[in-house]
Amino acid sequence: GAGVSQSPSNKVTEKGKDVELRCDPISGHTALYWYRQSLGQGLEFLIYFQGNSAPDKSGLPSDRFSAERTGGSVSTLTIQRTQQEDSAVYLCACGGRSNTEAFFGQGTRLTVV
Amino acid sequence: LAKTTQPISMDSYEGQEVNITCSHNNIATNDYITWYQQFPSQGPRFIIQGYKTKVTNEVASLFIPADRKSSTLSLPRVSLSDTAVYYCLVGDRDFGNEKLTFGTGTRLTIIP
Repeated sequence: GAGVSQSPSNKVTEKGKDVELRCDPISGHTALYWYRQSLGQGLEFLIYFQGNSAPDKSGLPSDRFSAERTGGSVSTLTIQRTQQEDSAVYLCACGGRSNTEAFFGQGTRLTVV
Repeated sequence: LAKTTQPISMDSYEGQEVNITCSHNNIATNDYITWYQQFPSQGPRFIIQGYKTKVTNEVASLFIPADRKSSTLSLPRVSLSDTAVYYCLVGDRDFGNEKLTFGTGTRLTIIP
């Protein structure tokens, strides 16, 4: 596609429910990152993929969070048993091996009520 | 990974030149310095990257002293549309080779 696509753009869920957030990166971009941004705050690193492998999962806040990437393309971030503190914008970024810059999606705004 | 320190916020008037300085005392020999801009409700976007001395593009200039322990992003003649958060990052030249950590950034507000 022309850019990084994230879906849904907005998600309201009840506390305790599971949610799946999707990132569709630019075709051919091998690196994919997930970040979380709470209101008025900076970007919190969650996880990154190089191809289908995740060399660094150190940013995942708890075992309720998981992410996968298949076919070196689409990635899904799953949050189980959501809590109110999970409310934030979840951003995905991608880049190729020869890219100096990261390309970000518009994010998914998650609200847990 | 080298840690970066930036001012939390800055204000400037339209038409002024704005300089935002980032400290990165522990920068490694192979590290590059990259700046991103983030508007409200959008993901960050790349502005400029450099290794040493000065880099200029159509948006900004980046000044890096010889010791590379700091860098300064310079925005010429700012307008209201430059109101955004600016992030300084230090790391591999190519995105995707390592964990990429954004700090808290500098919130720049342009005053009419």
